[in-house]
Amino acid sequence: GQNIDQPTEMTATEGAIVQINCTYQTSGFNGLFWYQQHAGEAPTFLSYNVLDGLEEKGRFSSFLSRSKGYSYLLLKELQMKDSASYLCAVMDSNYQLIWGAGTKLIIKP
Amino acid sequence: ETGVTQTPRHLVMGMTNKKSLKCEQHLGHNAMYWYKQSAKKPLELMFVYSLEERVENNSVPSRFSPECPNSSHLFLHLHTLQPEDSALYLCASSQTREGGQPQHFGDGTRLSIL
Repeated sequence: GQNIDQPTEMTATEGAIVQINCTYQTSGFNGLFWYQQHAGEAPTFLSYNVLDGLEEKGRFSSFLSRSKGYSYLLLKELQMKDSASYLCAVMDSNYQLIWGAGTKLIIKP
Repeated sequence: ETGVTQTPRHLVMGMTNKKSLKCEQHLGHNAMYWYKQSAKKPLELMFVYSLEERVENNSVPSRFSPECPNSSHLFLHLHTLQPEDSALYLCASSQTREGGQPQHFGDGTRLSIL
């Protein structure tokens, strides 16, 4: 079966750095996506990785290792508005997105 | 504003009612999706349309019936739903179904079945 694993909940302090991990087992691989979803709102696209390595986009970075079936999302200089759920999703060989259950990130002052 | 609009935002219905959810995208995308989101569960893909043709139907009960009259509009017709169908229903669109095109989501319809 296909499976995406990520922690259910994480807590971090404003101004700090947090790393959210995602491991996956899927039928084929056509890229990995990270989305942010605030409570009661639409998921919004953060990043896409299809090759190994680190992609940096402002305060957010995403890393991929295809051989390990592993990705992480790194958030720097945390702000209160970063409190949200972060969803990891892998596109399989049929171009279908397989989703993790999301990691709820709580930022404390 | 994501470019994907869903109506209604909230819907309460009885098990014998018939209702429809509407989705409209203003992004010129060619693929549209219906997802079900339940608390603490992964997003479940229900239906995919590419160029107005249905390409995926992930074992969804027949009480859910999709319709895609054109590339900008997507409907989900509901009838004789069950309490376990209460969830957030999300519509999304992407430029194409293949490749690294991100999906853009609407704010969803919060559905409650009495």
